[in-house]
Amino acid sequence: KNEVEQSPQNLTAQEGEFITINCSYSVGISALHWLQQHPGGGIVSLFMLSSGKKKHGRLIATINIQEKHSSLHITASHPRDSAVYICAVPDKLIFGTGTRLQVFP
Amino acid sequence: EPEVTQTPSHQVTQMGQEVILRCVPISNHLYFYWYRQILGQKVEFLVSFYNNEISEKSEIFDDQFSVERPDGSNFTLKIRSTKLEDSAMYFCASNSEHNYGYTFGSGTRLTVV
Repeated sequence: KNEVEQSPQNLTAQEGEFITINCSYSVGISALHWLQQHPGGGIVSLFMLSSGKKKHGRLIATINIQEKHSSLHITASHPRDSAVYICAVPDKLIFGTGTRLQVFP
Repeated sequence: EPEVTQTPSHQVTQMGQEVILRCVPISNHLYFYWYRQILGQKVEFLVSFYNNEISEKSEIFDDQFSVERPDGSNFTLKIRSTKLEDSAMYFCASNSEHNYGYTFGSGTRLTVV
């Protein structure tokens, strides 16, 4: 069974700061998902990546398959980025514990 | 943008009662999933469904749980006799390819009293 660990568990930042959230997993995978859970509970898929780097707006996700590690970066963070960020691995999706991000103006 | 719709958004039920949580996946998706999240804990996989049958289920998904796709559009999760520990947020998700491009519903918050 794949174990998925995230760090940090909680993160506070000032608006404009560069944010990094880390995810590591124990069993080799073909791809990894990054998800965002809004304060109201809804879950949105941000990225699925299997190698290298993906960018969407101010969000950048990287993965190192050999090291079993992925990072999610947020550039120029904004209060609307406040949410829980979750990594998840196949199959059927095994979720990490999430990183609660709060960005203050 | 297509959405996965879940109803109701909140449900309160008495212990021992049956509940049915409903989901309408995206119309051209083939794979359907239920997950649950107990308050303060991580999201956990319950069951996946493909080609009108369960393809995988977790140890949480015991005989008290069942899933159905009764009419080609709805995808339901039934809990036969609810327990206090079934209180959680339940998420439905779907995709067109296994392990790719998940779309989640906004969840049903189930409270068992």
